[in-house]
Amino acid sequence: QITLKESGPTLVKPTQTLTLTCTFSGFSLSTSGVGVGWIRQPPGKALEWLALLFWDDDKRYSPSLKSRLTITKDTSKNQVVLTVTNMDPVDTATYYCAHKGYGELFAYWGQGTLVTVSS
Amino acid sequence: DIVMTQTPLSLSVTPGQPASISCKSSQSLLHSDGKTYLYWYLQKPGQPPQLLISEVSNRFSGVPDRFSGSGSGTDFTLRISRVEAEDVGVYYCMQSILLPLTFGGGTKVEIK
Repeated sequence: QITLKESGPTLVKPTQTLTLTCTFSGFSLSTSGVGVGWIRQPPGKALEWLALLFWDDDKRYSPSLKSRLTITKDTSKNQVVLTVTNMDPVDTATYYCAHKGYGELFAYWGQGTLVTVSS
Repeated sequence: DIVMTQTPLSLSVTPGQPASISCKSSQSLLHSDGKTYLYWYLQKPGQPPQLLISEVSNRFSGVPDRFSGSGSGTDFTLRISRVEAEDVGVYYCMQSILLPLTFGGGTKVEIK
């Protein structure tokens, strides 16, 4: 059974760096074809893809946010970490992590974590 | 970036009646490997999105067969043969042929 769970601060101040952790179970990030992605959703708005990390440590980022994003993995802890620098109120959103399998994309999602950016 | 355009923005459906959502992409989603990388997700109120359909028409495990996907190239459709109360939420299409992955703006389905 594949599960994912996001954790991190619920409130950050403008200009601060956000660090979110996705802790997962039921799969290994060492397995060929597997990956973990981050997607966010501002309140009442549509989904926006942020980043994707693959089993071979290949990393892909949304071009519009690439300069502010870093995605890393700790295979031994079954965790993927996303950092977002220079947070702004427009970055207020629910942040989701999701599983990428071989032949599947985002079939499993975490419950999401709402991050508010406010001074 | 590939732009995904969904219509309608919202839909109010009588239970038991069919529903249809359109998704158009700004570029063809047909890959040279022969696959078309178009996905459908449903986000029920207060929940994360759930995968309904992969690669245009492949229902994900456990998805009722009243959901079906069709289309090719740049034009795609999600159909619900008989809408049930549990189908309410926002439906999103997404493409993965080209990064960045992009989602449609969503179609909200409500029950009359």
